[in-house]
Amino acid sequence: RKEVEQDPGPFNVPEGATVAFNCTYSNSASQSFFWYRQDCRKEPKLLMSVYSSGNEDGRFTAQLNRASQYISLLIRDSKLSDSATYLCVVNFGNEKLTFGTGTRLTIIP
Amino acid sequence: EPEVTQTPSHQVTQMGQEVILRCVPISNHLYFYWYRQILGQKVEFLVSFYNNEISEKSEIFDDQFSVERPDGSNFTLKIRSTKLEDSAMYFCASSSDREIQPQHFGDGTRLSIL
Repeated sequence: RKEVEQDPGPFNVPEGATVAFNCTYSNSASQSFFWYRQDCRKEPKLLMSVYSSGNEDGRFTAQLNRASQYISLLIRDSKLSDSATYLCVVNFGNEKLTFGTGTRLTIIP
Repeated sequence: EPEVTQTPSHQVTQMGQEVILRCVPISNHLYFYWYRQILGQKVEFLVSFYNNEISEKSEIFDDQFSVERPDGSNFTLKIRSTKLEDSAMYFCASSSDREIQPQHFGDGTRLSIL
């Protein structure tokens, strides 16, 4: 069975802090990996793809560990606008995306 | 930036009625998808569509569901006889390839079955 597991949180973090989320996936043959964010009752929006060598986009850093089958997301200098649910998403080599339950993040002023 | 658009944003329907949810994918994308999210639950795959045919579907996508690309721009999801448990957000997505490129989501249709 192909699954994606995340800690649902909630994570309540003061503004300016660094926060990290992890996600594990069940199938070592997985093809591609993404972090999406979802605001309340809105659509998932792509935050970043996750590459084998790790990648950074401004305050966001994503890492992939294929041997241990986990993905991480690090947010530095968190802003109030970072409050959202962060979805770990895996394409297991077929056409569909498999979503984790999401990790809820609230940035506290 | 090009985006996926969906209509209507909210649909309220009596149980047993047919509904059609509409989507306009990003214009140069070739792969189209429907997902749903029941309130408080994770996003779930329903169906993928490529080259005018279904390429994969989940066990949720039973005989009550169908998809169609009636013209060069629209992609529709039809539920023939709605049930209470069909109440959910329905998201359309599109992508330029099958595995590597991310899928881009529309802002969803909230379907409420009474």
